[in-house]
Amino acid sequence: DARVTQTPRDKVTEMGQEVTMRCQPILGHNTVFWYRQTMMQGLELLAYFRNRAPLDDSGMPKDRFSAEMPDATLATLKIQPSEPRDSAVYFCASGLGDPGLAGEQFFGPGTRLTVL
Amino acid sequence: AQSVTQLGSHVSVSEGALVLLRCNYSSSVPPYLFWYVQYPNQGLQLLLKYTSAATLVKGINGFEAEFKKSETSFHLTKPSAHMSDAAEYFCAVSLDYSSYKLIFGSGTRLLVRP
Repeated sequence: DARVTQTPRDKVTEMGQEVTMRCQPILGHNTVFWYRQTMMQGLELLAYFRNRAPLDDSGMPKDRFSAEMPDATLATLKIQPSEPRDSAVYFCASGLGDPGLAGEQFFGPGTRLTVL
Repeated sequence: AQSVTQLGSHVSVSEGALVLLRCNYSSSVPPYLFWYVQYPNQGLQLLLKYTSAATLVKGINGFEAEFKKSETSFHLTKPSAHMSDAAEYFCAVSLDYSSYKLIFGSGTRLLVRP
């Protein structure tokens, strides 16, 4: 049963600390998306990759957030330094980027981040 | 600009009653349309999708949605609500055929009363 995995599932940290979230997309998928979900803002697209290359990270605060794909099986989202307003659930999603699938995205379970 | 509007942030129905969740989109090109469901503490799961084939799309768990171009709508329905349907539902549109970015609506939380 292929699925997107994310680690950690929960992270509590103090303001100013570095946070790294990891995502393993479904094997063979060539597009990866990072979203942030909060009660106030809903679901926001932070960044996405195609064939490991970043295509758009305009949704991400550039000064503290960074997203990378070191290889096809790993995507990372890093926050340095973290702030309380970063508290949210961060989702990774992957897709095949195939016209026949119409851009369907498969979501991971999320990382719940709490910054104190 | 492309957008998705979900009318009603909360919808409450009795168990066994009809479920109707509304979604309208704005688009100048033929869209791909999706409904996702999110159960508590979980990621989003695809319910169904419209890809310009049949206008009435059937999904999982007895849900279906009808694409109406004249109304720019893609409302989600289920004839009889079940307690397990309580969740948040998101409508999304994909308009960029190269990047497959999805634009999500703000979500509708479905409450099912016993």
